[in-house]
Amino acid sequence: DGGITQSPKYLFRKEGQNVTLSCEQNLNHDAMYWYRQDPGQGLRLIYYSQIVNDFQKGDIAEGYSVSREKKESFPLTVTSAQKNPTAFYLCASSRTGSQPQHFGDGTRLSIL
Amino acid sequence: GQQLNQSPQSMFIQEGEDVSMNCTSSSIFNTWLWYKQDPGEGPVLLIALYKAGELTSNGRLTAQFGITRKDSFLNISASIPSDVGIYFCAGHESGYALNFGKGTSLLVTP
Repeated sequence: DGGITQSPKYLFRKEGQNVTLSCEQNLNHDAMYWYRQDPGQGLRLIYYSQIVNDFQKGDIAEGYSVSREKKESFPLTVTSAQKNPTAFYLCASSRTGSQPQHFGDGTRLSIL
Repeated sequence: GQQLNQSPQSMFIQEGEDVSMNCTSSSIFNTWLWYKQDPGEGPVLLIALYKAGELTSNGRLTAQFGITRKDSFLNISASIPSDVGIYFCAGHESGYALNFGKGTSLLVTP
């Protein structure tokens, strides 16, 4: 089945540790996105990529990093510089940047 | 990005009732989208709207793109228990980023 796969479903981070969240899509979509969701809040954009080897900062990029070496993959690293990383992280993709976005099932990150 | 104004924040209704929720922005949008999110899962696209005045249905769901291009509404007719969840509006103002509302939490009682 075509879709967006995020892993792991749950992730725990120790103080001072970097962690990487995986996002893979087999929809042949050009654009990919990372959002952060906090309780009772809408989705806030962290980073997005319109094409391989290119990505742009969103509204809350500080403390996060991404790479887009392959069309199918857009991993997100939550660095130790992100002081409040506990949240639900959602990856999305779209055929092009102006098309509707489709989401994965998310990764819940917590601090140990 | 701009945060959209979505209302109501939550709704508690009885099974069989109709539901209406809306979203407004302070600027013109090119696209309006409506998503549903179940607990612990990602949002699922329900309806996409592309033209001012467009009215689109998906089963018991109907959504409209406001003629001013600054608002949209979603109606659910004859609600059932599986309609429970959080409904988000989203829109493209320009470029690639989607702006999201804070969501409407829907609870349906039998």
